[in-house]
Amino acid sequence: GQQLNQSPQSMFIQEGEDVSMNCTSSSIFNTWLWYKQDPGEGPVLLIALYKAGELTSNGRLTAQFGITRKDSFLNISASIPSDVGIYFCAGTTSGTYKYIFGTGTRLKVLA
Amino acid sequence: KAGVTQTPRYLIKTRGQQVTLSCSPISGHRSVSWYQQTPGQGLQFLFEYFSETQRNKGNFPGRFSGRQFSNSRSEMNVSTLELGDSALYLCASSLGERNQPQHFGDGTRLSIL
Repeated sequence: GQQLNQSPQSMFIQEGEDVSMNCTSSSIFNTWLWYKQDPGEGPVLLIALYKAGELTSNGRLTAQFGITRKDSFLNISASIPSDVGIYFCAGTTSGTYKYIFGTGTRLKVLA
Repeated sequence: KAGVTQTPRYLIKTRGQQVTLSCSPISGHRSVSWYQQTPGQGLQFLFEYFSETQRNKGNFPGRFSGRQFSNSRSEMNVSTLELGDSALYLCASSLGERNQPQHFGDGTRLSIL
């Protein structure tokens, strides 16, 4: 099935460092969502974005809806060990109720 | 507010058997989507139900089917199980309008022996 291109696939960082990840699509999206999934659990919604250029924060997390509407970015500031997990982006295009998911970014934080 | 509830959490089946998974959405949510998650393929969309009707369908064979009841609860059935069906099956609910975010349950881990 169709998926978004999400990068990086995985990353190791030191505790306290900032993290950036992004998603790109060949289609224009109306909505971008960012999720985090911990082992053995379902994805949890972190941030939802609804218009181009929108910048939204949730604690140490900040996400942006790209101006081209074909990409989105997620930043985590001052990472902590509990940030470990897989981060997924998801988007939906005009005229559909179906979300397309990125392949995920696996984050590992070294204390 | 209760989240999305999926039962059972774990299942072990053998090839050729069939299985039914259940999903209770967040109260007030009318849309339920099902996904298959495997390490190699990520999250693959199976289908979406809204008001008891299948509104969207992914590219899975007819062995995968679903239904939704009047209370928005949904079930997914897989017949003639194959080894490749081993995966985490996730359901997500939303209000059902365009651009509404989906909220996931913790999934059913299905293992085929």
